[in-house]
Amino acid sequence: KQEVTQIPAALSVPEGENLVLNCSFTDSAIYNLQWFRQDPGKGLTSLLLIQSSQREQTSGRLNASLDKSSGRSTLYIAASQPGDSATYLCAVSETSYDKVIFGPGTSLSVIP
Amino acid sequence: DTGVSQDPRHKITKRGQNVTFRCDPISEHNRLYWYRQTLGQGPEFLTYFQNEAQLEKSRLLSDRFSAERPKGSFSTLEIQRTEQGDSAMYLCASSLGTGYNKFGYEQYFGPGTRLTVT
Repeated sequence: KQEVTQIPAALSVPEGENLVLNCSFTDSAIYNLQWFRQDPGKGLTSLLLIQSSQREQTSGRLNASLDKSSGRSTLYIAASQPGDSATYLCAVSETSYDKVIFGPGTSLSVIP
Repeated sequence: DTGVSQDPRHKITKRGQNVTFRCDPISEHNRLYWYRQTLGQGPEFLTYFQNEAQLEKSRLLSDRFSAERPKGSFSTLEIQRTEQGDSAMYLCASSLGTGYNKFGYEQYFGPGTRLTVT
């Protein structure tokens, strides 16, 4: 059974710092991996999707990497801003119909 | 607004009452998913539709839960005889997938319906 874990559970950094969020999954037979952002009480916003054949994806200050064989992904956020404060969720899809399995999330707080 | 929409955004109900939520996916998306998220946890898969066909149901979906997508467009999720343990955020998502794609398709999520059972 696929399990997704995220480290750390919570992170507080001063504005301007670069940071890395970690995601691990137990079964490497995935189709893709997505990183989502969730603001308190709100739905999910997709940040990056990495296909199983890709190693990384970039969007603005965000860079996500995927090492499928070791079951790991990282989300790198450059030059963090207070507006980046949110919960970041990692999710893997292991079926052709895209059911995703989520990690518990990392709660990020960027201090001005 | 062409994103996924959900209604209502918030619902407070008394234990034992029935509730129904609605999800309107992105119009060209054939796949629709329901997830449940409790406080401090990631969302958990409940059920999935390809067009109007419900193709998978999680064991989390007890017999008090029923979901429909009658015309392959919007979907409803009904909870009968609500219990306090049903209190959660119910999220709907849709994707473009219409067939086999070994890389999968990106899911787009709605804002969720927050259910509180008192």
